[in-house]
Amino acid sequence: SYELTQPPSVSVSPGQTAIITCSGDALPKQYAYWYQQKPGQAPVLVIYKDTERPSGIPERFLGSSSGTTATLTISGVQAEDEADYYCQSPDISGTYAVFGGGTQLTVL
Amino acid sequence: EVQLVESGGDLTQPGRSLRLSCAASGFTFDDYAMHWVRQAPGKGLEWVSSITWNSDTLVYADSVKGRFTISRDNAKNVLYLQMDSLRLEDTALYYCAKGVDTVTTGGWFDPWGQGTLVTVSS
Repeated sequence: SYELTQPPSVSVSPGQTAIITCSGDALPKQYAYWYQQKPGQAPVLVIYKDTERPSGIPERFLGSSSGTTATLTISGVQAEDEADYYCQSPDISGTYAVFGGGTQLTVL
Repeated sequence: EVQLVESGGDLTQPGRSLRLSCAASGFTFDDYAMHWVRQAPGKGLEWVSSITWNSDTLVYADSVKGRFTISRDNAKNVLYLQMDSLRLEDTALYYCAKGVDTVTTGGWFDPWGQGTLVTVSS
């Protein structure tokens, strides 16, 4: 079955840039989406269609994709950005949703 | 405001059944595909099932295929997940989520409900 691979953890100091990657063989043909999940809360969409930001999501959240890797970049990280981040993308058929294993972002 | 409220989660035994519901409001329910996603305690997100606006297409993760059935009642604005032959590994918080259009099952999910907890234990 199709898999998306994320690093288990990323740590940055406040004000620095956090980079979270998501690798998958179908990413050259399928969009990537990103969710933020804080403890005890439901996931929140922060990036869709590789680069688009929903209304209300701060501009410091940036998405990009190249080849088999999609990337979520958080510029000027704030303490409130500490959370788990999940990428999602469909399989090559576009039918089945797949999530990455998640990346825990720690703000030092 | 879009709202999704799940219910029906409970403590149950292996082999038993449960039916989850997701009451939707704040949007035109039958304009969107809908989805179920689960999260086992301390684990990541796992997509479970999706349904198109008119129930013509139902898709399932391999882990639940043949045991779970997704359905919807557009007149009542409710999404369901019938869970049969439950296993210990089905223990999770189950979220419903709104899709992006009437038919896309592989798109993004926005927003999500707060989830309902299913615990399968002997």
